[in-house]
Amino acid sequence: EVQLVESGGGVVQPGGSLRLSCAASGFNFGSNVMNWVRQAPGKGLEWVSHIGGSGNLINYVDSVKGRFTITRDNAKNSLFLQMNSLRVEDTAIYYCATLNLRLPDFDYWGQGTLVIVSS
Amino acid sequence: DVVMIQSPLSLPVTLGQPASISCKSSQSLVYSDGSTFLNWFQQRPGQSPRRLIYKVSNRDSGVPDRFSGSGSDTNFTLKISRVEAEDVGVYYCMQGRYWRTFGQGTRLEIK
Repeated sequence: EVQLVESGGGVVQPGGSLRLSCAASGFNFGSNVMNWVRQAPGKGLEWVSHIGGSGNLINYVDSVKGRFTITRDNAKNSLFLQMNSLRVEDTAIYYCATLNLRLPDFDYWGQGTLVIVSS
Repeated sequence: DVVMIQSPLSLPVTLGQPASISCKSSQSLVYSDGSTFLNWFQQRPGQSPRRLIYKVSNRDSGVPDRFSGSGSDTNFTLKISRVEAEDVGVYYCMQGRYWRTFGQGTRLEIK
């Protein structure tokens, strides 16, 4: 069974930092692109970042460029999102997800981890 | 950046009636190999999103056949032939041609 389990969310003051983690199991993690997607309270889905299977092909939505860093550890089947200089508008549920484009029945999401940026 | 525009944003539907959601992209979503990377997702209240359709018209397993996707280039549609109570939620299109971008979401409710 495929599982994606996020952790690391919490309450942080503006300007602070958090590191999100996503533990993957049940599929060949190192062969797959991974993404972070966020959803602000009561709002829609927003793609945040993408990383290729080998750690290449990295990109970010403009609003987080220079503040967030996506990495992965294929030996530990783990995905990370280092979030610095956090802003109130970064408050959201953060999901890790495969967002696969080609394969049937291969699209997986975690349950999400809540990040609240507030003073 | 690719912008995805969905309409309508709110969709009240009577049980058993059809529903249709439009999604338009600001650029062509056709890849060099001829594939078109447009997915549809369903997010039920309190749940993580779930993919329904990939590459415009391919349904994932377990997705009822009352859901269908169509379209090409920059114009795409998700249709539900007969809405059931379990279809309540928010529907998103997502392009994968240029990284990833989601539409704003369409909230389907029972009238």
